[in-house]
Amino acid sequence: QSVLTQPPSASGTPGQRVTISCSTSSSNVGTNAVNWYQQLPGTAPKLLIYNNDQRPSGVPDRFSGSKSATSASLAISGLQSEDEADYYCAARDDSLIGWLFGGGTKLTVL
Amino acid sequence: EARLVESGGGLVKPGGSLRLSCAASGFTFKNAWMSWVRQAPGKGLEWVGRIKSKTDGETTDYAAPVKGRFTISRDDSKNTLYLQMNSLKTEDTAMYYCTSLTWNYVHFWGQGTLVTVSS
Repeated sequence: QSVLTQPPSASGTPGQRVTISCSTSSSNVGTNAVNWYQQLPGTAPKLLIYNNDQRPSGVPDRFSGSKSATSASLAISGLQSEDEADYYCAARDDSLIGWLFGGGTKLTVL
Repeated sequence: EARLVESGGGLVKPGGSLRLSCAASGFTFKNAWMSWVRQAPGKGLEWVGRIKSKTDGETTDYAAPVKGRFTISRDDSKNTLYLQMNSLKTEDTAMYYCTSLTWNYVHFWGQGTLVTVSS
């Protein structure tokens, strides 16, 4: 079964740059775009990055995404306290005919 | 701006049934592919299933844990998405989110409705 693997936690201080990785061993998932979601405490997830590196309107340019063959990354620069949240990567899995989500990374702003 | 509002969650006994609804507004619902995603308490996100638009055949697909027990449907005249859940198990306990889809990504999310399966 295809899996998207994220580190369970990450941390940084205000103003710092933090990156969160998302890797897969599946060539199937690896050919599809990776998307990122931010889930603030007690709220629903929100689309943060789509199609590997695109930001929806309203998302600050402090957030950026990138992708290689079987790995993707979310970078947050100029870290702010309000960035403290859970972050999930996701990709369409054609063998599943659905979407896979990574296990999520809890970002703590120290 | 798209808005999705789920309802219908609650407490149900194992083996029971529940139907969730999702009222959509702010976009052309009849043209949208829609899905349900769930999140068990303290856990990550899990895709449940998807329904295509009527023009794309209204085809449904489901994740393995719910296949044969859950059914997604839609009423375009009411801009509403449904999730019929039968033979519920304790492991189905989760917040259920209604979402809109594009080909490549899950786009807008509702606020969720909580389903608790317990005796």
